[in-house]
Amino acid sequence: DVKVTQSSRYLVKRTGEKVFLECVQDMDHENMFWYRQDPGLGLRLIYFSYDVKMKEKGDIPEGYSVSREKKERFSLILESASTNQTSMYLCASGVGSYEQYFGPGTRLTVT
Amino acid sequence: KQEVTQIPAALSVPEGENLVLNCSFTDSAIYNLQWFRQDPGKGLTSLLLIQSSQREQTSGRLNASLDKSSGRSTLYIAASQPGDSATYLCAVDTGGFKTIFGAGTRLFVKA
Repeated sequence: DVKVTQSSRYLVKRTGEKVFLECVQDMDHENMFWYRQDPGLGLRLIYFSYDVKMKEKGDIPEGYSVSREKKERFSLILESASTNQTSMYLCASGVGSYEQYFGPGTRLTVT
Repeated sequence: KQEVTQIPAALSVPEGENLVLNCSFTDSAIYNLQWFRQDPGKGLTSLLLIQSSQREQTSGRLNASLDKSSGRSTLYIAASQPGDSATYLCAVDTGGFKTIFGAGTRLFVKA
């Protein structure tokens, strides 16, 4: 079975802190994705990566950056967390754009 | 810009009832449409994938249909069970690693 793990299930950070969310997949997938999920808005793509060190902006990249130094690991970075970044963050990996396997999510609260 | 809408936002039905969840999208130029299930506090699990050339897909008690020309898909759940209680999300693949998700329908099946 494909396994996508995320470093934390719940996280509470203060405004202005630098936040790292990590995602690891064990299926040698080329593509990895970061989404945020907010009530009534569905999932929105923040960034995706189609290879090591390669990244592309999604629909809402502002305030975020990513890092992919190894194929199995994709990190989402909030350079200076703000309260409007309080959300559920979901990581996914896959072969094509539609074959995505999701991690359990990280619920981030910024106070 | 592609938009995906799911109606209703929430649904409560008695056990054993057959039900239909609706998904509509604004641009018919899609590669495929996918239905996901999300349990509370967890990631997404793919249920059914319909390619743009297909009209429907079936898996057990689930049947999904696709009408590209009208921009609609339905997920039919037969003989609903309490274990079907979850949020169901519809997503369209527009190519270029861009998957657009609906906000979901929260389903509650009463025993």
